[in-house]
Amino acid sequence: GEDVEQSLFLSVREGDSSVINCTYTDSSSTYLYWYKQEPGAGLQLLTYIFSNMDMKQDQRLTVLLNKKDKHLSLRIADTQTGDSAIYFCAESPSGYSTLTFGKGTMLLVSP
Amino acid sequence: KAGVTQTPRYLIKTRGQQVTLSCSPISGHRSVSWYQQTPGQGLQFLFEYFSETQRNKGNFPGRFSGRQFSNSRSEMNVSTLELGDSALYLCASAKGHDQPQHFGDGTRLSIL
Repeated sequence: GEDVEQSLFLSVREGDSSVINCTYTDSSSTYLYWYKQEPGAGLQLLTYIFSNMDMKQDQRLTVLLNKKDKHLSLRIADTQTGDSAIYFCAESPSGYSTLTFGKGTMLLVSP
Repeated sequence: KAGVTQTPRYLIKTRGQQVTLSCSPISGHRSVSWYQQTPGQGLQFLFEYFSETQRNKGNFPGRFSGRQFSNSRSEMNVSTLELGDSALYLCASAKGHDQPQHFGDGTRLSIL
């Protein structure tokens, strides 16, 4: 069955880099996503990567995908206090729009 | 470009009642999916609609139903509400299959 796992909590200092990790099980996943959720809000799509890519960079965000180990990571450079939120990793199997989410990683950025 | 719009933002109901939630997708998006978010179970997929047809359904009881209209707007209905239905219900839209999904801010449903 499908399962996505993430560490639950990460604390960093402002200006440092943050790395949030995720493992997934569905080898047929086409897309892998990172979403951000702030208190009282919905999910904001941060970035996504095709399963045939190894890396994707988008401004301060870098996504690394290791298909062999089914490991996905999100690196946030120069982390700011405004980056404090819950970050969700999600996978979507080929041909479907169904997202399977991890439990989310709470990122706390201290000044 | 307007994002995904969900109404209402907040709802309070009592056990046994029914409720209808509404979702307007991003213009041009034909796929609409619904998710339930609770502290205990996290984010769980309810169902997906594409061109007025339900394409996929999650593991929820028949009390949960939905539909999609010709303009791609979608509604979700929950009948005979239970305390455990208290949750944030999120709607997401996408251009089509295998396309990134964009979420609304959700409807927070509280059951008393």
